Amino acid sequence: ELKVEQNPLFLSMQEGKNYTIYCNYSTTSDRLYWYRQDPGKSLESLFVLLSNGAVKQEGRLMASLDTKARLSTLHITAAVHDLSATYFCAARGAGGTSYGKLTFGQGTILTVHP
Amino acid sequence: DTGVSQNPRHKITKRGQNVTFRCDPISEHNRLYWYRQTLGQGPEFLTYFQNEAQLEKSRLLSDRFSAERPKGSFSTLEIQRTEQGDSAMYLCASSLSRNEQFFGPGTRLTVL
Repeated sequence: ELKVEQNPLFLSMQEGKNYTIYCNYSTTSDRLYWYRQDPGKSLESLFVLLSNGAVKQEGRLMASLDTKARLSTLHITAAVHDLSATYFCAARGAGGTSYGKLTFGQGTILTVHP
Repeated sequence: DTGVSQNPRHKITKRGQNVTFRCDPISEHNRLYWYRQTLGQGPEFLTYFQNEAQLEKSRLLSDRFSAERPKGSFSTLEIQRTEQGDSAMYLCASSLSRNEQFFGPGTRLTVL
């Protein structure tokens, strides 16, 4: 059974600082997703990572994937208040019987303060 | 708007009542997923449809839950005899085969 763990679960950052959120998954996955969720809202897709060594960047966020270590990271550069939200990683099980369902981590609540 | 839509957006009900939610996927998406998200947790998979066939159900989906996708278009999720533990955000997502899933806005259920 695929399991996904994120850490830290809570992250309080000062504006302008850098930090990394880690996402470990337990078994083979063929895709790794990062989502953002604002309070009371649905999920906003940030990144889809398909292969080992994949790196994607959008603004102050950069995501990477190491399939050998079963690890993905979301790096935040020079944080700004607008990045305050909950961030989820989700892994998609590989193989036909997984039917493409996603297994989510617990989420990281990010708060950026002055 | 051609995204995934869900109705209602909010539902407040009393314990023991039945509720039904609807999800309209993106047109031509053959796969439809239901997830449940409780406060402070990540979404958890409930069930999956490929066209009109329900191919997988999570053990979270007790006998009080039933989902349908008639004609492979919209889907409904019904909860019978609601309990306070059913209070959650119910998210629907659709995809074209094994491509990226697109999530709807969710239905927030509160059971009093």
